[in-house]
Amino acid sequence: GAVVSQHPSWVICKSGTSVKIECRSLDFQATTMFWYRQFPKQSLMLMATSNEGSKATYEQGVEKDKFLINHASLTLSTLTVTSAHPEDSSFYICSAWGGRGRVYGYTFGSGTRLTVV
Amino acid sequence: GQQLNQSPQSMFIQEGEDVSMNCTSSSIFNTWLWYKQDPGEGPVLLIALYKAGELTSNGRLTAQFGITRKDSFLNISASIPSDVGIYFCAGQLYHTGNQFYFGTGTSLTVIP
Repeated sequence: GAVVSQHPSWVICKSGTSVKIECRSLDFQATTMFWYRQFPKQSLMLMATSNEGSKATYEQGVEKDKFLINHASLTLSTLTVTSAHPEDSSFYICSAWGGRGRVYGYTFGSGTRLTVV
Repeated sequence: GQQLNQSPQSMFIQEGEDVSMNCTSSSIFNTWLWYKQDPGEGPVLLIALYKAGELTSNGRLTAQFGITRKDSFLNISASIPSDVGIYFCAGQLYHTGNQFYFGTGTSLTVIP
């Protein structure tokens, strides 16, 4: 149980285009999803927290207009990197939190490697 | 975001040796978690700790939630080659939206 699916696992896009990353909780309802960014050999940096049906809360320094987050259902959150530039190239990882018992609390997706050329 | 300091930054050990790493914060956390991450993958939960002083084991792994709620440590006994990877601690703050904040990571290399 407590499986989080993230798609795509990798994507290459041209500078200036937008990319959408999906995060799905497969066997539980995720009231909250978190989006992280990780540069090579560095830790995971929390970008934003999204609660189903409400606007995402962004961490300081994260541009909300550039990283659009939508949490339209209890099983799906999406992160759209708009007008991507090479400096946006990174490993993006989502985490889903069920909030209904600890066993569903701490599951991560497998990550999306974004390369902007 | 919150700053969690993890040490050591990297470790090179012989197979069979024990490993110890710790994580400290200036903030009080409600939950401490330990993850392992392999290259190109998302973190995988190893141990979750829910109250101060708690000591929990998962096979050869043992972790403790510090009594000040500002620190935690992870021990790995009798290391094996598959223990290689990056280990992260993470703290969760319930009152600010359940966010997890990650430590700086410990890179573990096990020499056969």
